[in-house]
Amino acid sequence: NAGVTQTPKFQVLKTGQSMTLQCAQDMNHEYMSWYRQDPGMGLRLIHYSVGAGITDQGEVPNGYNVSRSTTEDFPLRLLSAAPSQTSVYFCASRTGLKNIQYFGAGTRLSVL
Amino acid sequence: KQEVTQIPAALSVPEGENLVLNCSFTDSAIYNLQWFRQDPGKGLTSLLLIQSSQREQTSGRLNASLDKSSGRSTLYIAASQPGDSATYLCAVRDVSSGSARQLTFGSGTQLTVLP
Repeated sequence: NAGVTQTPKFQVLKTGQSMTLQCAQDMNHEYMSWYRQDPGMGLRLIHYSVGAGITDQGEVPNGYNVSRSTTEDFPLRLLSAAPSQTSVYFCASRTGLKNIQYFGAGTRLSVL
Repeated sequence: KQEVTQIPAALSVPEGENLVLNCSFTDSAIYNLQWFRQDPGKGLTSLLLIQSSQREQTSGRLNASLDKSSGRSTLYIAASQPGDSATYLCAVRDVSSGSARQLTFGSGTQLTVLP
């Protein structure tokens, strides 16, 4: 059971570089989300999707883009990385409002 | 806007003790509340999910309660073990957060169980 898979696990970028954080789930969940976790601030929602072709902004969307071309995949793009985007990024998925949310293992990103 | 608070931020107990972790939320209009465990450098693992119509949920040595009217939840851990050392996060899915009803997280309680 793979669940929610995130790649890469670690990444170091220079300011201004771009990259894509990958997220895939094999549970046929319609809802997928990206969160960032910063010390003392808990997890904050970046973007989410309620199904293929449908995405929307969360609490902290600036500097990030997403797309959802398939049910399984929900990549997060940083177009021009900034030091403020240094964080741990988690992808999550679920099905239905009343159901458990499953998380990936995270991507630890440092922007120098 | 929903706010979730967890106090204390850190807790250290000797092995074998029973302990309670607290979570409070400001908007009682919620669908459910979920407790997670996070080990250092790892992702979040769901422990218990309590629907808004429920008062408690149990799994092994863990018991979570929900008092929606007062905006409180507790996670009770019986006979604590060093392996329980981790950060425990609570999160609520509230009715007013938009069509996707995303989770609002507390900052967590870092638990250390001393052998």
